[in-house]
Amino acid sequence: NAGVTQTPKFQVLKTGQSMTLQCAQDMNHNSMYWYRQDPGMGLRLIYYSASEGTTDKGEVPNGYNVSRLNKREFSLRLESAAPSQTSVYFCASSKNTEAFFGQGTRLTVV
Amino acid sequence: RKEVEQDPGPFNVPEGATVAFNCTYSNSASQSFFWYRQDCRKEPKLLMSVYSSGNEDGRFTAQLNRASQYISLLIRDSKLSDSATYLCAVILSGGYQKVTFGTGTKLQVIP
Repeated sequence: NAGVTQTPKFQVLKTGQSMTLQCAQDMNHNSMYWYRQDPGMGLRLIYYSASEGTTDKGEVPNGYNVSRLNKREFSLRLESAAPSQTSVYFCASSKNTEAFFGQGTRLTVV
Repeated sequence: RKEVEQDPGPFNVPEGATVAFNCTYSNSASQSFFWYRQDCRKEPKLLMSVYSSGNEDGRFTAQLNRASQYISLLIRDSKLSDSATYLCAVILSGGYQKVTFGTGTKLQVIP
């Protein structure tokens, strides 16, 4: 009963390092999302993918790239991490109905 | 104007009180509506869907007002365990039906 799985759960990066956050869902959902959430703030959409091979920018895409490798997987890449990217990152998926979330990745950039 | 808007709060209410949140949406073509609950440092989880006729789940009642384009969540007899952030979510009709979230309303139930 995995649902949406994100890895890693925690990560510390140095400024300028790169990394990829992984997300996979086993619910055969078409749509997948990446959000960031900062203290005291709501979810902000980074990127959205309506289906395999398609991606759209959200509210805060700068500094991020995404890849929808197949229907199951949607990865988020930070090419050159900055302290402003310290946040909690949530992946989610949906199919014509409510969205389901992964447990989140807590990223700190020092 | 944001697609989905909520009062961020916080709403500080005593135990046993009744509290209501509203969420407005800008696109009249929105077709599906949800309330989520998010506990501190956790992922959002679906609390309940919102149907046209309204729906109730124990102490929680959700309603939809299409004419004024808002949904509401009513919590009766508030418990300490209800303290959380409540997010509304909306799906537009047609296309790939992307889910759009409000920023959430924080509720703190006080002993």
